[in-house]
Amino acid sequence: KAGVTQTPRYLIKTRGQQVTLSCSPISGHRSVSWYQQTPGQGLQFLFEYFSETQRNKGNFPGRFSGRQFSNSRSEMNVSTLELGDSALYLCASKGADTQYFGPGTRLTVL
Amino acid sequence: SQKIEQNSEALNIQEGKTATLTCNYTNYSPAYLQWYRQDPGRGPVFLLLIRENEKEKRKERLKVTFDTTLKQSLFHITASQPADSATYLCALDMSTGTASKLTFGTGTRLQVTL
Repeated sequence: KAGVTQTPRYLIKTRGQQVTLSCSPISGHRSVSWYQQTPGQGLQFLFEYFSETQRNKGNFPGRFSGRQFSNSRSEMNVSTLELGDSALYLCASKGADTQYFGPGTRLTVL
Repeated sequence: SQKIEQNSEALNIQEGKTATLTCNYTNYSPAYLQWYRQDPGRGPVFLLLIRENEKEKRKERLKVTFDTTLKQSLFHITASQPADSATYLCALDMSTGTASKLTFGTGTRLQVTL
């Protein structure tokens, strides 16, 4: 089975712009979660989608949003980018008990 | 609020020795705890899962223990090798009902030297 794929792998944006990241889960997995990883805060949960519905949400401002499509692919969007949004954004698809992570998208906000 | 701590930011050991990493948590009784390995610039890779009713789990050179009374998990790598050098993360499953959510510790960076 192919693993979790994320595109793009790297992004550079400027403050105030918006960005959309994409994630394709492992075939057959219906749950997709998104995490933000920074050196200071570590890995933090953003939200989880299952069958096109947001099932769980972390403690992030409304500038962070997401959606899931009928084929389980997911996108997350960050609007009005701030310098502090620079991070590695990881998505994970859930198997029976475990989560399988993609390689991440490295976002740099200048 | 829930808190999860990995009490060593970095751990240096010699090849062949056993590495022991610690994960402590407060204010929660997780259904299970997971350990992941993360290499620089890459996503975490699942290693082991241990449930609240299990005391110990093994996989090849890896062993995890889970003490729900102490609210602590220990992760051991026996006969460590330089290829084991990576950051190791513990994660609590904070799932509620069908929704899933992992809360991660900040990780321990393991360096195995010759």
